[in-house]
Amino acid sequence: DVKVTQSSRYLVKRTGEKVFLECVQDMDHENMFWYRQDPGLGLRLIYFSYDVKMKEKGDIPEGYSVSREKKERFSLILESASTNQTSMYLCASSSRGLAGVETQYFGPGTRLLVL
Amino acid sequence: AQKVTQAQTEISVVEKEDVTLDCVYETRDTTYYLFWYKQPPSGELVFLIRRNSFDEQNEISGRYSWNFQKSTSSFNFTITASQVVDSAVYFCALSGYNNDMRFGAGTRLTVKP
Repeated sequence: DVKVTQSSRYLVKRTGEKVFLECVQDMDHENMFWYRQDPGLGLRLIYFSYDVKMKEKGDIPEGYSVSREKKERFSLILESASTNQTSMYLCASSSRGLAGVETQYFGPGTRLLVL
Repeated sequence: AQKVTQAQTEISVVEKEDVTLDCVYETRDTTYYLFWYKQPPSGELVFLIRRNSFDEQNEISGRYSWNFQKSTSSFNFTITASQVVDSAVYFCALSGYNNDMRFGAGTRLTVKP
């Protein structure tokens, strides 16, 4: 079974703090993704990575950055947290696939509250 | 641009009823992939099904079935004889060839005993 883990289930931070959300997958997947989930909006892609040290912006990258130094680990960074970044953050991974798009497997999510 | 619409925000049924969750998508790609995920109260998205645009065959898996119709750009999901454990938020998603996944807003299904 694919296992995607996220460092925290719940986080409470102050406005202006630098926040790190960590994601680790154990299936040697090339692709990793960060989404945020908000009521009524579904999941929106923040950033994704096709390989180590590679990153691509998703639909809502503003206020976020990412780091992928190792294949299994993909970090989401909030440089200066703001209250509008209060949300559920979901990490996913997928294999590269030879025949097209492969299924993304998700971690349990991190619920972040910024005060 | 790709878009997924799940018009049903919330559905409530009584156990053993059948229920259909609607999903309508928009894309200009000729090759694309459709997915359904389940998000139980625990929060983790659980993969249910993946379909590519060249495979319009309907699929049945136990009490779950999916109806893919390219002519109406729909990929609907039916649960037969619903159970309380089916209560969750269900997401439909669409991906182009470059993994640019787009999710619908989700449908919250409540199955009452």
